[in-house]
Amino acid sequence: GAVVSQHPSRVICKSGTSVKIECRSLDFQATTMFWYRQFPKKSLMLMATSNEGSKATYEQGVEKDKFLINHASLTLSTLTVTSAHPEDSSFYICSAKLAGRGQPQHFGDGTRLSIL
Amino acid sequence: DAKTTQPNSMESNEEEPVHLPCNHSTISGTDYIHWYRQLPSQGPEYVIHGLTSNVNNRMASLAIAEDRKSSTLILHRATLRDAAVYYCILRDEGAQKLVFGQGTRLTINP
Repeated sequence: GAVVSQHPSRVICKSGTSVKIECRSLDFQATTMFWYRQFPKKSLMLMATSNEGSKATYEQGVEKDKFLINHASLTLSTLTVTSAHPEDSSFYICSAKLAGRGQPQHFGDGTRLSIL
Repeated sequence: DAKTTQPNSMESNEEEPVHLPCNHSTISGTDYIHWYRQLPSQGPEYVIHGLTSNVNNRMASLAIAEDRKSSTLILHRATLRDAAVYYCILRDEGAQKLVFGQGTRLTINP
């Protein structure tokens, strides 16, 4: 149980395009999902917390107009990288948390984004 | 979230037990101790978590010191597939997000 699916797994696109990444909780409802990015050989950096039916909460230094988050249902959150540039190339990972105090998070397999 | 300290890297042999330490001297009473691991080119995988008592599951065991200022993740019999970066993270019981540190890169020798 507690499977999180992320799609696509890999994207290569030209500079200036927008890219949408989907994160789905397959067998549970997630009122809260999280988006991380990870550079090579580095740890995960939390970008934002996605709340179903309300605005996302962004971490300090993350541009909310650049990284648009939508969490329209209890099983789907999307991250759109708008007008992507080479410096946005990274590994993007989503996670969802089971309800209840102290519950763990479950992660998708990540999306490797490469902007040419 | 309180900080944790882990060794940057560790090495062990296949089929031997592995003990991964984590120090968290500033842990508060409501902080859960979570362990995740990340295999190359994958998202992190939940391993185990606990509050005060030692915990066991099919993947590993978590030994928590009596004063809760340190903990040890135990892999009872390492395989090559256990090679990963292991993250020890504290999270308050009421908190939502996880903040990742640098973790321990575990290498398993055949």
